[in-house]
Amino acid sequence: GESVGLHLPTLSVQEGDNSIINCAYSNSASDYFIWYKQESGKGPQFIIDIRSNMDKRQGQRVTVLLNKTVKHLSLQIAATQPGDSAVYFCAENAGGKLIFGQGTELSVKP
Amino acid sequence: EPEVTQTPSHQVTQMGQEVILRCVPISNHLYFYWYRQILGQKVEFLVSFYNNEISEKSEIFDDRFSVERPDGSNFTLKIRSTKLEDSAMYFCASSEDRGPEKLFFGSGTQLSVL
Repeated sequence: GESVGLHLPTLSVQEGDNSIINCAYSNSASDYFIWYKQESGKGPQFIIDIRSNMDKRQGQRVTVLLNKTVKHLSLQIAATQPGDSAVYFCAENAGGKLIFGQGTELSVKP
Repeated sequence: EPEVTQTPSHQVTQMGQEVILRCVPISNHLYFYWYRQILGQKVEFLVSFYNNEISEKSEIFDDRFSVERPDGSNFTLKIRSTKLEDSAMYFCASSEDRGPEKLFFGSGTQLSVL
């Protein structure tokens, strides 16, 4: 069945370090993926997206990598800042609706 | 920057009552969605809406749920005969293109059914 999951429920990093948040998906037909950031009490905020015909896409301080062979998605955050502390969700486009993963909580230590 | 706005931010209701959650999507967006998130869990799809009709709905969206776009700006979610398990954060989202690509979410309405 369709499912998107995250490997680690929590991730703690030192300010200034790079963060890597991972996601596994099971639907090989998914053609579009998004990373969202959710701060406490707020709705999911779009970070970056990638189509299945790409394997890497870069934004401002963020990079998304897609490995279709092993159905794995990752979000890399460079020079992590305290403001990056949040829950991060990956989501896949499954037939016109987004299926969200469980979420990884990123904590940035000063 | 344009944003999706939702009201109220919190809604408390008695079991069995009806609630209406309101959303104003981004003005040039054509595709509208409701999602919900039970505390500590992942965001779950409820329904998508385009051209004044439901495009797709999940099994959560049973016959107690309905959506409406009563005018050119509002998008509402109505839940009749509320149950305790309806308690969740409800997010409205909209997108310019079908996909659902680049969904923009509101800040949510926290619904508590007592």
